[in-house]
Amino acid sequence: QQQVKQSPQSLIVQKGGISIINCAYENTAFDYFPWYQQFPGKGPALLIAIRPDVSEKKEGRFTISFNKSAKQFSLHIMDSQPGDSATYFCAARAAGNKLTFGGGTRVLVKP
Amino acid sequence: NAGVTQTPKFQVLKTGQSMTLQCAQDMNHNSMYWYRQDPGMGLRLIYYSASEGTTDKGEVPNGYNVSRLNKREFSLRLESAAPSQTSVYFCASSEQVLNTEAFFGQGTRLTVV
Repeated sequence: QQQVKQSPQSLIVQKGGISIINCAYENTAFDYFPWYQQFPGKGPALLIAIRPDVSEKKEGRFTISFNKSAKQFSLHIMDSQPGDSATYFCAARAAGNKLTFGGGTRVLVKP
Repeated sequence: NAGVTQTPKFQVLKTGQSMTLQCAQDMNHNSMYWYRQDPGMGLRLIYYSASEGTTDKGEVPNGYNVSRLNKREFSLRLESAAPSQTSVYFCASSEQVLNTEAFFGQGTRLTVV
């Protein structure tokens, strides 16, 4: 039973378009929500993270939107580039616990 | 700056064989982790070590054992490999369990036939 549900499993977007990945959780004790980016043959690497006391965080072309009441958070990749083609994982952590990951979304940006 | 180093990168085992996956980090981190990655399942925690001298089970510990050899090294052992253990294994480290960012190695692709 996954505590963090991620959708879609895969996504194809044209260069310059917006990629949107959604995650939902049940555990209200989660207090930290990171997104990891993974390129083929590599380990995941932290991309951006948010805490539930803010509704949005932006770093360059990447934005996390957080809806505490709906227990949902999403990653938006603006002006998607071929170099953004990767697998993206959302995750959540409750204080004192380990990270729980979503199932991953494979993003392909077509030139 | 190597970060987290895993060996081997690839391995094929026969059912019932044993092997140890090695992991070392050079960031002086206290906590280390072993995850497995399967399609559609994300990363699932197998075991972790909050600090040198301690180890604890994660979500999917059955069929695995770990050793925190020293602060740098954390190994994962499969005593009797099964096809269900075919996966990509990642080692990770962080300053401490409560810390935010985990740094991952490049992974070990294991196939059990």
